[in-house]
Amino acid sequence: DAGVIQSPRHEVTEMGQEVTLRCKPISGHNSLFWYRQTMMRGLELLIYFNNNVPIDDSGMPEDRFSAKMPNASFSTLKIQPSEPRDSAVYFCASSERENRGNAYEQYFGPGTRLTVT
Amino acid sequence: GDSVTQMEGPVTLSEEAFLTINCTYTATGYPSLFWYVQYPGEGLQLLLKATKADDKGSNKGFEATYRKETTSFHLEKGSVQVSDSAVYFCALSDYDMRFGAGTRLTVKP
Repeated sequence: DAGVIQSPRHEVTEMGQEVTLRCKPISGHNSLFWYRQTMMRGLELLIYFNNNVPIDDSGMPEDRFSAKMPNASFSTLKIQPSEPRDSAVYFCASSERENRGNAYEQYFGPGTRLTVT
Repeated sequence: GDSVTQMEGPVTLSEEAFLTINCTYTATGYPSLFWYVQYPGEGLQLLLKATKADDKGSNKGFEATYRKETTSFHLEKGSVQVSDSAVYFCALSDYDMRFGAGTRLTVKP
């Protein structure tokens, strides 16, 4: 299995520009998670999906952030407009989840390093 | 709610030293417990896990035992190597996954 795939691996953009991060989860996994990691705040859960449906987006910092999962094999995290404080490493992770809700271990992608100047 | 607390770092050890990274948890149910490792420039990787009380997870010389009586899941390794330098995260999952803040380990030759 190729594991969780994220693109791009690095993104440098100017303040005010739109940024789209992409994620392909492991085939057969039905839960997908977006995290942000910074030195100051550590690892933060932004949003997660179960069976392509957003379950909890309480970690999304503000309306500039949005996430979609149009099908079981693809998700995007969009920032519009981007700001310098959005600079971080963004991770996507996927896992299996039983219908009754017990979570299994999560498998992380390599991350996208975003720099907003 | 459920949470995980792990010892603050950074931790610096000499090669072949004994490692302990403490992790305690708070949970209302019966969570599974995990240790993840993050090497520089990479995503988190599952290191080991335990799904019920008294289970011992082990991998690559690392071990951790699920202690319900002390609500702990401490990570140990008998002899660390330079290649073990990384950030280690304790985590629990009941319904949702909760990660600790991470502990940075540096092993010097």
